[in-house]
Amino acid sequence: AQSVTQPDIHITVSEGASLELRCNYSYGATPYLFWYVQSPGQGLQLLLKYFSGDTLVQGIKGFEAEFKRSQSSFNLRKPSVHWSDAAEYFCAVGASNSNSGYALNFGKGTSLLVTP
Amino acid sequence: GAGVSQTPSNKVTEKGKYVELRCDPISGHTALYWYRQSLGQGPEFLIYFQGTGAADDSGLPNDRFFAVRPEGSVSTLKIQRTERGDSAVYLCASSLAGGTAYEQYFGPGTRLTVT
Repeated sequence: AQSVTQPDIHITVSEGASLELRCNYSYGATPYLFWYVQSPGQGLQLLLKYFSGDTLVQGIKGFEAEFKRSQSSFNLRKPSVHWSDAAEYFCAVGASNSNSGYALNFGKGTSLLVTP
Repeated sequence: GAGVSQTPSNKVTEKGKYVELRCDPISGHTALYWYRQSLGQGPEFLIYFQGTGAADDSGLPNDRFFAVRPEGSVSTLKIQRTERGDSAVYLCASSLAGGTAYEQYFGPGTRLTVT
């Protein structure tokens, strides 16, 4: 069965500092991997996704993530955080074939606080 | 263009009552998903529709939960005999087609509170 672990429940960074949010997954084959952001009162917004190919993927809002098969990880990074990045971040895994269903399996999320 | 809309945005009901939550997907999206997000948790899958049919309802917690999509567009999630444990944010998402290769666009959710 697929599972996603986000080890950090809360992270606090200073504005302008770099950010890395951790995500580990468990899946039998190469999964489809996603990072979503959820701001208060807003729906989930897709930041980036990895299906195959280049293991470093670029997303919106200056975010990037790196797929490391050997570590079963898909960590999200940003070189310089802005106050508007404060939100809840979710890592998700999806099956790469229809036999395993179509739903996304989400981690519990990491809450990002940005201080001045 | 218009995104996924969900109504109501908030619903407070008494234990034992029946509720309906509505999802209006993006026009042209054939796939529709319902997820439930409890406090402090990530969204959990409930049911997936491809067109009018429920292609995967493995996430529905019990037979009090039911969902329909009669014309392949709007979907309604129905909860009978609500319990306090049903309190959560119910999220709807739609995508162009089924399969996780297609981006799922999420609505803002319906916050259900069972008192």
